[in-house]
Parts: sequence; structure tokens; C-alpha cells
Amino acid sequence: QQQVKQSPQSLIVQKGGISIINCAYENTAFDYFPWYQQFPGKGPALLIAIRPDVSEKKEGRFTISFNKSAKQFSLHIMDSQPGDSATYFCAAIDNAGNMLTFGGGTRLMVKP
Amino acid sequence: NAGVMQNPRHLVRRRGQEARLRCSPMKGHSHVYWYRQLPEEGLKFMVYLQKENIIDESGMPKERFSAEFPKEGPSILRIQQVVRGDSAAYFCASSPTLDNEQFFGPGTRLTVL
Repeated sequence: QQQVKQSPQSLIVQKGGISIINCAYENTAFDYFPWYQQFPGKGPALLIAIRPDVSEKKEGRFTISFNKSAKQFSLHIMDSQPGDSATYFCAAIDNAGNMLTFGGGTRLMVKP
Repeated sequence: NAGVMQNPRHLVRRRGQEARLRCSPMKGHSHVYWYRQLPEEGLKFMVYLQKENIIDESGMPKERFSAEFPKEGPSILRIQQVVRGDSAAYFCASSPTLDNEQFFGPGTRLTVL
């Protein structure tokens, strides 16, 4: 059972555009939601994270929007750049453990 | 301050052989996690260890897979009698305490021929 569903699987955006990736979860015990960026041949690196007590968090060009009632959260990448081309994973951790539950990933390509 | 280190980076084994994957956590980190990433899929949790203890192994296959994190030395993920379906990227992550960011290593890409 996939507890975190991520969409789209792939995304192509023009340079300067906005990239939007969505995730939905089922487990109401999740209380920490990080986003990871992964380049080919590398391990995932934490990009930005949010807890459910806030509805939005912004760091530079990256923004997480969180809708607790809908059990959904999304990543917005403003002014997308070719260097942002990577695979992005949403994830969640519940309040009982420390294991990350990952979404299926979104392969983003930003065209120059 | 070195990050999480994993070796080997690439490992090729024939069916039936054993694979040993090593992970050295970041300095000062006592919590280690192993994840598996199948091609074109997200990462799946396998096991969570602290020094000399397995805390949560709910994601580990019941047979052939084992993990340890000894008092001295790296954490080891061991796969006995490998099969083609074990081909994947295996990532290790570490954190200094519970409820803290997990830092990932570069992964070991296992290919079973």
C-alpha cells in the first residue's frame, strides 16, 4: 500500500516557469513532510520541509504549500532553471517512528 | 566534515553470491537507516539501527537480508544468496538524534547477473 502518492511522474517546464509537484497522504499520524532532490547517480538531498502546523513555507525559489484537511502538500519551484532538472521526492514521517515514507518521485526537466 | 560514506559505490554479483554493503554515518551521528530504490521507483525503508541495536526492521525481507551497526566500524547491510530482483540502489542515511534530518549517502548500486 502506497501511503504517499506523488504526481506527476514527469514534468517538463520552460526556463523561468513554475514547476508544481503534488503529493497526497493517507496516514494522519504523519507530522513531518520533507522534499528531497536527487540528481542521477547521487543520494537524495533535503530541499525543504514542513510540519502540519503551518500552511506554507518558503525558502528562496522553493515553496511548500500544505493542506492538512485535504491531506495534500505540494512543492512549487519558482523561476525554474535548467540546473533544477532532477528527480524530486516528497516524503513523510509519522510521530511514532523515524522512517521516511517516500512518494514515487517526479522527474523534472527544465528546458533552456 | 565528511558526509555519509558508502562503499562500494557499484557492486556486481552473480546469483547465489553474497553482497556486503557498508555505510559510515556522519561524525556524531548514531542513527542509521537503510533504504532501497528500485529502478524508476521511490525509496523504500528497510531498517533503522542505532549502535549495536536494530530498532525497526519492518521493511527488511524476512529471508537473506540482515543488517548490523557494531560499536566500532560501519553499518553493514548483508544480502545472502542474491537474486536478480535484488538489483537496486541501496542508500544509507544517518541522523544525530531521533526526529532530526536524515542525511543520505551516495548509494551502492547492486547489479546481480
